[in-house]
Amino acid sequence: DIQMTQSPSSLSASVGDRVTITCRASQGIRNKLAWFQQKPGKAPKSLIYGASSLQSGVPSKFSGSGSGTDFTLTIGSLQPEDFATYYCQQYDSYPLTFGGGTKVEIK
Amino acid sequence: QEHLLESGGGVVQPGRSLRLSCGGSGFTFSSYAMHWVRQAPGKGLEWVAVISYDGSEKYYAGAVKGRFTISRDNPKNTLYLQMNSLRTEDTAMYYCARDRIYPPTKVPGIIAHWGQGTLVTVSS
Repeated sequence: DIQMTQSPSSLSASVGDRVTITCRASQGIRNKLAWFQQKPGKAPKSLIYGASSLQSGVPSKFSGSGSGTDFTLTIGSLQPEDFATYYCQQYDSYPLTFGGGTKVEIK
Repeated sequence: QEHLLESGGGVVQPGRSLRLSCGGSGFTFSSYAMHWVRQAPGKGLEWVAVISYDGSEKYYAGAVKGRFTISRDNPKNTLYLQMNSLRTEDTAMYYCARDRIYPPTKVPGIIAHWGQGTLVTVSS
């Protein structure tokens, strides 16, 4: 199975900050990488697929990049509604696997 | 408006069975692969199973293979997860989720939309 490792596991940031989260795959996954946002007590929300393509309705302050084994999610100008846990997930091969999550907290 | 509604969760003893259902509305259910993803209390997301739009392809996580069965009834717009030989470690919120259409693959794995989840607790 492909292992997905996210860093950091948590971070503190202020409103207006630009935040970057990293995801690394244990083997090359081309661009078969998705990102999700989850707020406490809520279902996940799909943000990005294909490493950099936004899902429908996702604001452009979210952006993704990377290919192969190393990927990043960037949130430009953090707003109160962006404080959440973010997960990456590979879909290059089954079983699908998720990263451990990055919790973005208010500083 | 697209909507996924899970049901069937509850408290069950170890070794027993449970069947989850997920009804889809607001989209052409029969055109999309569907997934089950779970989340143990306080833990991260864990993919469980996928079924292609026509039911011809299915894949499972190693932790549930041989115990869980995913199926669908397209005329009823419903996805199922039959869970047998339940263990305490199967305790989780179970989400159903819709894939994207991405031909020619039948099971792209690109999760686009999620239900609100149904809680399964396995305890004696």
